[in-house]
Amino acid sequence: AQTVTQSQPEMSVQEAETVTLSCTYDTSESNYYLFWYKQPPSRQMILVIRQEAYKQQNATENRFSVNFQKAAKSFSLKISDSQLGDTAMYFCALGLNYGGSQGNLIFGKGTKLSVKP
Amino acid sequence: GAGVSQSPRYKVTKRGQDVALRCDPISGHVSLYWYRQALGQGPEFLTYFNYEAQQDKSGLPNDRFSAERPEGSISTLTIQRTEQRDSAMYRCASSLLAGGGTDTQYFGPGTRLTVL
Repeated sequence: AQTVTQSQPEMSVQEAETVTLSCTYDTSESNYYLFWYKQPPSRQMILVIRQEAYKQQNATENRFSVNFQKAAKSFSLKISDSQLGDTAMYFCALGLNYGGSQGNLIFGKGTKLSVKP
Repeated sequence: GAGVSQSPRYKVTKRGQDVALRCDPISGHVSLYWYRQALGQGPEFLTYFNYEAQQDKSGLPNDRFSAERPEGSISTLTIQRTEQRDSAMYRCASSLLAGGGTDTQYFGPGTRLTVL
């Protein structure tokens, strides 16, 4: 079975500082992708960043970057220069293309991030 | 272009009533997914379609839940004889390719269902 674990239910960071959100996952598949989604108070689900498992280079999107450690099955999200608008629930998700759960994303329980002025 | 849209945004119903939730995916997107999200939790998979074909319905909790996508575009998730435990946010997502979980899924705003 595939699982995604986010061990930090809540975190806070001062505006302009850097914060790292943790995510570990478990799968026996070799072909998979990893995602971070953001859910602000409006409860929209917004894609932040994605990482292909076959790529060694860590994905980066502006102030957002990941630290993908495939052997350790770890996929952390780093937010640099935190802004008040980054306040949201952040979900890590695993996507598979083969196996028993073809098609869907498997989500962690989320980390609630608060950016303080 | 327009994103994924869902209607209604909020639905309050009485226990035992049937409800139909609608999802309109991004134009041209092949795959469409339904998830259910309880408060404080991540979304949980219900079912998904490639074009009009339902590929996986293993996440549907019981036979009161069904979904269709007859013309490969708009989809309807139907819950019959609703129960209070069905109260949740129901989210729809679509992706461009039939690539399963490896293609980026774009989510709609969700339908908040409350069963009294």
